[in-house]
Amino acid sequence: EAQVTQNPRYLITVTGKKLTVTCSQNMNHEYMSWYRQDPGLGLRQIYYSMNVEVTDKGDVPEGYKVSRKEKRNFPLILESPSPNQTSLYFCASGVVGELFFGEGSRLTVL
Amino acid sequence: SQQGEEDPQALSIQEGENATMNCSYKTSINNLQWYRQNSGRGLVHLILIRSNEREKHSGRLRVTLDTSKKSSSLLITASRAADTASYFCATDVGGADGLTFGKGTHLIIQP
Repeated sequence: EAQVTQNPRYLITVTGKKLTVTCSQNMNHEYMSWYRQDPGLGLRQIYYSMNVEVTDKGDVPEGYKVSRKEKRNFPLILESPSPNQTSLYFCASGVVGELFFGEGSRLTVL
Repeated sequence: SQQGEEDPQALSIQEGENATMNCSYKTSINNLQWYRQNSGRGLVHLILIRSNEREKHSGRLRVTLDTSKKSSSLLITASRAADTASYFCATDVGGADGLTFGKGTHLIIQP
């Protein structure tokens, strides 16, 4: 089954404790992206990747890092999480004309 | 930056009625897409309309695009309770960064 898998789905952590949200896709897509969704703000792009070893900042990259060492994986790294990074995060992969989204990772930073 | 802006922000109608949502955007686009999101879940692609198309149909969905007004509409006919969700438009301007999403319209279908 074609899918984008994110883990963890839910996480409560404390300020400053590094965490990684993993994202994996099985559709051989070159393009992958991370979004955060906040009430009243819609989806905002954090980082995107056009291919292996190619990553670029989106609209809200501050406080986040990504890597793309393999085509299927695109982890999102929060080196020192802060409460303003409490949000619902989505990973997506796709081709021109259609994005496929993961089920989301709800992160709470205390 | 936010490209698309949906209107209304929320819409509540009776089952069986038609639901219309609108999207306005600011710059020229290659295509415009509509996505659906059930509460707290991932977005699902519904339909794409290219900049040289004016109308497109898919099942109970009808999408129109007016590039002169920089606007699009999504019509869901004969609504069902299962159509309750948030609907987002997303614009593709052809850049490497992919799609830019609006804030969404929350649609509630009352049985």
